[in-house]
Amino acid sequence: DIVMTQSPDSLPVSLGERATINCKSSQSVFSRSNNRNHLAWYQQKPGQSPELLIYWASTRESGVPDRFSGSGSETDFTLTISSLQTEDVAVYYCQQYYKTPPTFGPGTKVEIK
Amino acid sequence: EVQLVESGGGLVQPGGSLRVSCAASGFMFSSYAMSWVRQAPGKGLEWVASIGPGGVRASYAQSVQGRSSISRDNSKDTVYLELNTLSPDDTALYYCAREHRGGEWLVGWFDPWGQGTLVTVSS
Repeated sequence: DIVMTQSPDSLPVSLGERATINCKSSQSVFSRSNNRNHLAWYQQKPGQSPELLIYWASTRESGVPDRFSGSGSETDFTLTISSLQTEDVAVYYCQQYYKTPPTFGPGTKVEIK
Repeated sequence: EVQLVESGGGLVQPGGSLRVSCAASGFMFSSYAMSWVRQAPGKGLEWVASIGPGGVRASYAQSVQGRSSISRDNSKDTVYLELNTLSPDDTALYYCAREHRGGEWLVGWFDPWGQGTLVTVSS
């Protein structure tokens, strides 16, 4: 199985400041057949179901604010929140969909400093 | 509006069985793979099982392989997950999710997710 790791575990950020979450896969999730990275990001607010933010590592889901952006390739990926808002307090998960089973990172909890 | 509504969770004794259901609406159900993802209390996300659009191809996490079965009824826009030989480790909120697969890939990302149904395994 592809193992996903995330850092940091917890991220206190001041309102309006940048938040950066890292995700690493144990093997490359880049496919040369479609030239894409098979990596998604989700946001789970307290007491709610996860919601898709980004897929193909950098494609923002419709309706997701543009302060959220994804980058990276092969084994190293980043989710950036350019200016943290109160409503962004949540746990963020990365997920690879390059190989079965799909696997998730352990999550990064973003909170207000 | 795309909607997924899970049901069927509850309290089950160790060794017991349970079937949870997910009713879909707002999209062409028969065109999408569907999945179950679970979340133990205070823990992260764990994929459990997926089933292809036609219901023929299914895959399972090793943790439930051999004691679970995913199925779907495209005439009812519903996907099911049957869990057998349950243990306390299976206690979790079970989410249903629509799976998006690019091209010929057999695994994808999940969107949207239902609200989840809680399965508690305890004596």
